[in-house]
Amino acid sequence: EDQVTQSPEALRLQEGESSSLNCSYTVSGLRGLFWYRQDPGKGPEFLFTLYSAGEEKEKERLKATLTKKESFLHITAPKPEDSATYLCAVTLLTGRRALTFGSGTRLQVQP
Amino acid sequence: DTGVSQDPRHKITKRGQNVTFRCDPISEHNRLYWYRQTLGQGPEFLTYFQNEAQLEKSRLLSDRFSAERPKGSFSTLEIQRTEQGDSAMYLCASSPDTGNTEAFFGQGTRLTVV
Repeated sequence: EDQVTQSPEALRLQEGESSSLNCSYTVSGLRGLFWYRQDPGKGPEFLFTLYSAGEEKEKERLKATLTKKESFLHITAPKPEDSATYLCAVTLLTGRRALTFGSGTRLQVQP
Repeated sequence: DTGVSQDPRHKITKRGQNVTFRCDPISEHNRLYWYRQTLGQGPEFLTYFQNEAQLEKSRLLSDRFSAERPKGSFSTLEIQRTEQGDSAMYLCASSPDTGNTEAFFGQGTRLTVV
């Protein structure tokens, strides 16, 4: 069965303390891997799409990377406004076109 | 068009009542998805439309749930005879019909069944 697992479930950082979130996937064939940010009570906001191992994307303090088994979301010198839940999702080469999500990592950045 | 719009944002209903939610996708997007999200979990896929055709339904979508997308524009999700277990955030997303592109989400409808 296709699975997406995120770790850690929750992460508390001090402002400026860099870290990484992990998304490991076990799927029959990966079409794309997506990162979303979700604030409480709101819908997910698109961040990145990665398609092939070795690919990297950057946006401000965030950098996403992809290997054949997992993806990392690196957060450099985070600020309190980066506090949110970060969701990883995949789409498959065959079958379902919809996103299959992990459970997310709740990030809290303290000033 | 500023994005995916969902209505209402919040709905409180008594167990056994029927509820209907509406989603207006980004205007040029042919694909529309419904997801359900409970606290502490990622969104779970419910159903998918390409234009007006409902192409896929999850096993989560019991016979009390029905979705439509008349004329390939807005979509509605109806839940009949609501149960407390239906309490969740219902999210709508849309994407263009061009290869593997990201889906854009609405703000969701929070359903509470009392």
